Amino acid sequence: DAKTTQPNSMESNEEEPVHLPCNHSTISGTDYIHWYRQLPSQGPEYVIHGLTSNVNNRMASLAIAEDRKSSTLILHRATLRDAAVYYCILRDHNKAAGNKLTFGGGTRVLVKP
Amino acid sequence: DTGVSQDPRHKITKRGQNVTFRCDPISEHNRLYWYRQTLGQGPEFLTYFQNEAQLEKSRLLSDRFSAERPKGSFSTLEIQRTEQGDSAMYLCASSLVRAGIYNEQFFGPGTRLTVL
Repeated sequence: DAKTTQPNSMESNEEEPVHLPCNHSTISGTDYIHWYRQLPSQGPEYVIHGLTSNVNNRMASLAIAEDRKSSTLILHRATLRDAAVYYCILRDHNKAAGNKLTFGGGTRVLVKP
Repeated sequence: DTGVSQDPRHKITKRGQNVTFRCDPISEHNRLYWYRQTLGQGPEFLTYFQNEAQLEKSRLLSDRFSAERPKGSFSTLEIQRTEQGDSAMYLCASSLVRAGIYNEQFFGPGTRLTVL
């Protein structure tokens, strides 16, 4: 599976937007970009995914670069409950087997009140 | 609660003992995954099932590890002759695989294993 690179940590103030970058320069044409997050003492949870176009849902937005070599997860107004480790993961939807998730180290987001 | 559940949530054992963990996936989900997570690291894939068939095993899954999903519903993960290096959080996830539908994975809260 293609590799992703994320900063180890980021800080944000409550109510402000958070932009989480992810580099994936070796992404293949069939790789989707997925984001999961892991709140303290919980299992990971799905946030958002996309292929080429920017995506929005109730949790976040995903902005994908035109060459798809990088993407940014945007939390529009961070709350204290958004403090978590955010993982950027590439997954090939064309692979018949597995669909396992390959997690990297993620970005630990700290939200200050 | 209709999410993924895992039991026990915590397990402390002595080196050399056997342990077994259980995962109950979301009821209609046909895929079930096991991951392991050590402190400060992201989860690592161990194995997955499509219904009752175990279709992939990671190289991390040594001979001391065995997983089953006998009726395609709940799953168990057994570790024999535990070692201190087995201390980790064991996470279970489930998903629904159907043509044309994205199968996001839903994770349970995990079982934290401590081997003394």
